[in-house]
This record gives sequence, C-alpha cells and structure tokens, in this order.
Amino acid sequence: DGGITQSPKYLFRKEGQNVTLSCEQNLNHDAMYWYRQDPGQGLRLIYYSQIVNDFQKGDIAEGYSVSREKKESFPLTVTSAQKNPTAFYLCASSIFGQGAEAFFGQGTRLTVV
Amino acid sequence: DQQVKQNSPSLSVQEGRISILNCDYTNSMFDYFLWYKKYPAEGPTFLISISSIKDKNEDGRFTVFLNKSAKHLSLHIVPSQPGDSAVYFCAASGSNTGKLIFGQGTTLQVKP
Repeated sequence: DGGITQSPKYLFRKEGQNVTLSCEQNLNHDAMYWYRQDPGQGLRLIYYSQIVNDFQKGDIAEGYSVSREKKESFPLTVTSAQKNPTAFYLCASSIFGQGAEAFFGQGTRLTVV
Repeated sequence: DQQVKQNSPSLSVQEGRISILNCDYTNSMFDYFLWYKKYPAEGPTFLISISSIKDKNEDGRFTVFLNKSAKHLSLHIVPSQPGDSAVYFCAASGSNTGKLIFGQGTTLQVKP
C-alpha cells in the first residue's frame, strides 16, 4: 500500500555528529518536504523539493542539508552546525500544484545528547 | 514573521457541542488553506481544505469558513466527539508553490 515512510522513529546522537534522517514515498509525488516541530511553534519548513535534483531552502534551513537524487527519496542531514537539533522531524510529500494536500510520515524524534 | 497564526493554544469543549478553531493569515497571496489533525508522536493527517475563491467547504462534521477580507479562517466541528481530541493545524499555500506554511496549532480537548 502507498505511503510515506520515515525511519527511524527514534534517534539518539552525540553532540557534534552529523545524522541523516530517511524519508521514502511510493505515492509517485513530485514534491517532498521536511518540517521540524518544536513545542508551541507549530511546523516549520526546513527544505522542500519540487522535482528530482532540485530543492529549495525553507524558513529554517541553517544547519541542515538535503539531496533529491530519486523521486522516491528525500533524506535530511542534520549537521553539527545546527545549534538546537533535538526536535520532532516530519517528512511530507504531495503532487505539485495549487492546494495539493501534503501526506506526512510518522516522524522521527531526534535527541542529541 | 508568522504568516499563519493560531492565537488560541488550547480549546476545551463538551462532547456533542460545537468546536470552533480559528486561524489568521497575513499574506494576501495565499490562495489555498488546509486543516490538519495531529496526535502526539505521529504525523499530521489532512482534514479539509478550501480555495480562496470559496467561503465555505463542508465535509461531514467538519466545515471550514474563509473570510478573505479579514484574512481569517475557522474550522467548525459539529458535533464534537472525544476522538476529536488532538492538535489542529491550519496551513496555507500560494499559487506559485506547493509549500505549506503552518500555524502554531491549537490543542482541542473534547470532554465526555
């Protein structure tokens, strides 16, 4: 069945280490997104990609990097430059177009110790 | 600058009554608005959307109203059920991009 999969659900890393969060979709969606959720701040856009091999920064891209080598995959790397990486990360995908609803994965809780 | 705002962090209603969740936006270029429901430690799920050319859209117990002149939208849930207890996010998108801008969310609690 179709969907969007994030892995792992929980991730622990030491401070100063880079870590990559996986996001895969089999919905044949062109657009993919990464959001971060912090308490009281809603969902903030980190990066988004509307087509393979192209992506744009969102509102809080500093300290993050992405790639879009395949339509199905949009991995997010949280680098050591990200000052406050502990958060709940959500990946989403949609068809590209006006008002297209985004389908979300189950999220990855990253804790940096 | 917060382009989409949900000024009420929480709302509590009695089962069977109406729940009204509000959302304001500042960018007049937004032309689609969506509501999502989210449970803890899960991804948001889509509820209902509305285009800026409409002022109302209804789907079962859920109705979204849009007031473009006031840059305000609201989600009505009638009748409210305990299973509706969750965080509700409104989101907006513009015509040239599919990216969604989210509000801060409102936690709804429906008491039996």
